[in-house]
Amino acid sequence: DSGVTQTPKHLITATGQRVTLRCSPRSGDLSVYWYQQSLDQGLQFLIQYYNGEERAKGNILERFSAQQFPDLHSELNLSSLELGDSALYFCASSVEYGGRQETQYFGPGTRLLVL
Amino acid sequence: AQKITQTQPGMFVQEKEAVTLDCTYDTSDQSYGLFWYKQPSSGEMIFLIYQGSYDEQNATEGRYSLNFQKARKSANLVISASQLGDSAMYFCAMREGRGTGGFKTIFGAGTRLFVKA
Repeated sequence: DSGVTQTPKHLITATGQRVTLRCSPRSGDLSVYWYQQSLDQGLQFLIQYYNGEERAKGNILERFSAQQFPDLHSELNLSSLELGDSALYFCASSVEYGGRQETQYFGPGTRLLVL
Repeated sequence: AQKITQTQPGMFVQEKEAVTLDCTYDTSDQSYGLFWYKQPSSGEMIFLIYQGSYDEQNATEGRYSLNFQKARKSANLVISASQLGDSAMYFCAMREGRGTGGFKTIFGAGTRLFVKA
């Protein structure tokens, strides 16, 4: 158990819908990362937040957005869903201070199926 | 451009033997981190080992060691005394960036390891 929690574990929805994925980082971790893992694209970095502020952006679609709240939990919002958005979505967290690179610990993931 | 290459889509190893999983990377940054993760069939991503670009010694974590050759831009994972539970997908990852610029992480395509009894 990495200490990172994600809900829900599974999500089935229809095209055009909107869903919210939730992540709670490890205790003490200020940085949260979101990833998408699909069969054709592999594991893709989406976005990083640090202490409530967006820090880095990867291959995140405009239909997707994220935020990190004062209690440090994070949410990833996916809207106007398409079949191709079906994937495993991971959240990871790390301690980030003084610019030192720290290991990212992953949550169990949310498996999204868009029908 | 930042890139991670894992050239072995699949590997077989006999139980109790050692195995090396290859990883090469490409970056123009001087400061970066290299990671290996294990993903069993259950789907979770398990951190195995970390190597910083300025670390002079190769990282080791139990049965895992990282053969870091900076000039060749390679970061191979060595698993000693393979166990049946090591059968999984293994990902090499690199993180660039520092401080307020944030960290971007990219992953290789992965190597699926099969441990034979």
